[in-house]
Amino acid sequence: GENVEQHPSTLSVQEGDSAVIKCTYSDSASNYFPWYKQELGKRPQLIIDIRSNVGEKKDQRIAVTLNKTAKHFSLHITETQPEDSAVYFCAASRSRGSGGSNYKLTFGKGTLLTVNP
Amino acid sequence: DGGITQSPKYLFRKEGQNVTLSCEQNLNHDAMYWYRQDPGQGLRLIYYSQIVNDFQKGDIAEGYSVSREKKESFPLTVTSAQKNPTAFYLCASSPSGGTGELFFGEGSRLTVL
Repeated sequence: GENVEQHPSTLSVQEGDSAVIKCTYSDSASNYFPWYKQELGKRPQLIIDIRSNVGEKKDQRIAVTLNKTAKHFSLHITETQPEDSAVYFCAASRSRGSGGSNYKLTFGKGTLLTVNP
Repeated sequence: DGGITQSPKYLFRKEGQNVTLSCEQNLNHDAMYWYRQDPGQGLRLIYYSQIVNDFQKGDIAEGYSVSREKKESFPLTVTSAQKNPTAFYLCASSPSGGTGELFFGEGSRLTVL
């Protein structure tokens, strides 16, 4: 099965700095890579996702890059703000056309991001 | 107000007792999931169901059971066979043929005394 490794487990930055979280995956057939944000005491919510047919995707201050050859993808947050403080999870899955279900996401262990004012 | 509702939010149980966690969604989603969250362990899949009356084991199904008799409901039973049941349990749903985005409930925290 799929195995997703996520680093670092904790990350502390100053407000305004950039933050980068990296993930690697093991299943070369995986082609869907979402990122979830979980604020303290709240439910995880999707913040951005990328599919294997693109190498980068941006949404305002957040971006995700994907390197299929190396089987790794990263989350980049620029101009960090205190409200970015949360646990971030990466995940990977196959789509239905790849012999699996696109509903069986495998998550990384999470990164606790702290943005210091 | 559409969404996923989990109950109870907090639950205490004695060792040897079974307990059932409720998960209801009114999003008309076909797929539903149960994840377990432990500190430093991420989200681990217990069971998932892509359609009514069908479900599959996830990565850590031992000691758990589910049913999917209605599209809206996917209850999880934590049995006495689960060796370390104290955890935070998250239910999620996803639309069939959709992007794969999961919509999570607010979670249920189970503590075994």
